[in-house]
Amino acid sequence: DAKTTQPTSMDCAEGRAANLPCNHSTISGNEYVYWYRQIHSQGPQYIIHGLKNNETNEMASLIITEDRKSSTLILPHATLRDTAVYYCIVRPANQAGTALIFGKGTTLSVSS
Amino acid sequence: DVKVTQSSRYLVKRTGEKVFLECVQDMDHENMFWYRQDPGLGLRLIYFSYDVKMKEKGDIPEGYSVSREKKERFSLILESASTNQTSMYLCASSLGLAGLTDTQYFGPGTRLTVL
Repeated sequence: DAKTTQPTSMDCAEGRAANLPCNHSTISGNEYVYWYRQIHSQGPQYIIHGLKNNETNEMASLIITEDRKSSTLILPHATLRDTAVYYCIVRPANQAGTALIFGKGTTLSVSS
Repeated sequence: DVKVTQSSRYLVKRTGEKVFLECVQDMDHENMFWYRQDPGLGLRLIYFSYDVKMKEKGDIPEGYSVSREKKERFSLILESASTNQTSMYLCASSLGLAGLTDTQYFGPGTRLTVL
């Protein structure tokens, strides 16, 4: 799987948009970008994934650059409950049954 | 929404005890997983099951066994608990359609302490 690079930590004011970047310059054509988050002492939570088009769901938006070498997860109106570690993962489509590998992720701190 | 539940959030056991951790998913997923998560070591796969009664070893199966008698339920068994099995245990499930993306959904986790 391609390697990802994320900032160690970010801060965001409550109500503002949180933009979390991820670099995946060695991504292959069949690899998807996934985002998960983990709130302290809870299980990881799936947020969103995409291949090359931008994606949006009820939790977040995912913006993938045209060359697919980087992406940004956007939480449009961050709340205190969005404080968590956010993981960007790159993964081929046909890897059902294999382990997810989380890097160090970005610790997002949302404050009032 | 996918729901993965685990039998306990917190568990305290003594060395040598047999420990059962249960996981149930309600989305008719084919694949189920057991991971453990430790500080500095990230997620590590213990066992994986792709169908009823089918299982495959993950990266760290020693000291663990699993059981999948029904599609929705995947159990992790510590035959004789040891202190180095103190950890956060995470169950996950995924749809399992070949050739497509396979999003894994996690349960809330069980924090096991072995004394």
